Amino acid sequence: EPEVTQTPSHQVTQMGQEVILRCVPISNHLYFYWYRQILGQKVEFLVSFYNNEISEKSEIFDDQFSVERPDGSNFTLKIRSTKLEDSAMYFCASSGDRNQPQHFGDGTRLSIL
Amino acid sequence: GQQLNQSPQSMFIQEGEDVSMNCTSSSIFNTWLWYKQDPGEGPVLLIALYKAGELTSNGRLTAQFGITRKDSFLNISASIPSDVGIYFCAGPREGSQGNLIFGKGTKLSVKP
Repeated sequence: EPEVTQTPSHQVTQMGQEVILRCVPISNHLYFYWYRQILGQKVEFLVSFYNNEISEKSEIFDDQFSVERPDGSNFTLKIRSTKLEDSAMYFCASSGDRNQPQHFGDGTRLSIL
Repeated sequence: GQQLNQSPQSMFIQEGEDVSMNCTSSSIFNTWLWYKQDPGEGPVLLIALYKAGELTSNGRLTAQFGITRKDSFLNISASIPSDVGIYFCAGPREGSQGNLIFGKGTKLSVKP
């Protein structure tokens, strides 16, 4: 069964450094999402992306964050200058249509030191 | 804003028992999704519900979309050890283009 894949599985970074989290959505999907989950808390929406542009973003997704689809398969989340509070699991998801269920990757655990 | 409230927060049951958990909201949802999350992994879709009153099964799992569109429940029959995990309900935020709101989850522990 096709799946969403994310790399790396764990990223450790010094505060203030830039990180790029990578995702390969399911190949025929058109809608892409990033969510985050702080340890022990619920999953929170960050941003959605369709037709090569951001369609929605939450208040968490400030100027430090950006997303890109650099080629036909990858979807990336960049955090420009990481803060301690950015430590979380980051999940990528994709769907074929905005009304179809989203399928999630296994996440990248981001640890900021 | 819209919120999903899940109960119970956690459950400890014996293998073989049936389980029921639910999700409620003060606002209407047009879709209810149930996901399961194992430690260190992403949420895996279990059941999707699209119509008020809909009852859908997936193996030992059954979920219903409440008539009022403000609640949903998930039942697991004859639980087994691999049912352990956190179960989340989710639904698209009103007026959004599909971004999901998640509940806080029900953590299920199964004693063999």
